[in-house]
Amino acid sequence: DAGVIQSPRHEVTEMGQEVTLRCKPISGHDYLFWYRQTMMRGLELLIYFNNNVPIDDSGMPEDRFSAKMPNASFSTLKIQPSEPRDSAVYFCASSDQGRTGTATDTQYFGPGTRLTVL
Amino acid sequence: DAKTTQPNSMESNEEEPVHLPCNHSTISGTDYIHWYRQLPSQGPEYVIHGLTSNVNNRMASLAIAEDRKSSTLILHRATLRDAAVYYCILRGPNNNDMRFGAGTRLTVKP
Repeated sequence: DAGVIQSPRHEVTEMGQEVTLRCKPISGHDYLFWYRQTMMRGLELLIYFNNNVPIDDSGMPEDRFSAKMPNASFSTLKIQPSEPRDSAVYFCASSDQGRTGTATDTQYFGPGTRLTVL
Repeated sequence: DAKTTQPNSMESNEEEPVHLPCNHSTISGTDYIHWYRQLPSQGPEYVIHGLTSNVNNRMASLAIAEDRKSSTLILHRATLRDAAVYYCILRGPNNNDMRFGAGTRLTVKP
């Protein structure tokens, strides 16, 4: 398996523009997670899905952020409008909790998308 | 949520063992102890996890104190490729919010 795939790897945009980050989880995994990493706040969970359904979005910073998972092999994280403070590395991760359970599952992370908002 | 405490940084020489400590004095009976690491410019990767007994895998060993209030990740022979930030995380049965904290930045000297 190719692992978790994220695109683009780097995104530079101007304030006010819409940004869409994409993720393809590992085939067969039933959980998908979106994280954000900054120097100030470290790695934070934004939202996660179980079988394509959003379960907990309490980490989404504000209404400008939205995430969807239309099918088991694709998810998007959208920021509209983008602001300079959204600059960060965004990671997608997936896991197979249906097999292992919540406390013992392994999350597999993608390479991340480095977002710069000017 | 139970919290973990790790040193900000540690140094090791190549080919020597490394012991990375983690304190988790408020751990609950159902919390598993997980370790992840993040190499430069990469996403975090799983290292090892355990509940009560010591655990070994091809990457590392995990030594868990008898009272479970602390644990130690052991890299038996550090290589330059082990230079990374190591995170100690507690996971409960219904907790999908992995709190990564600041972790320990391991530097390996040749």
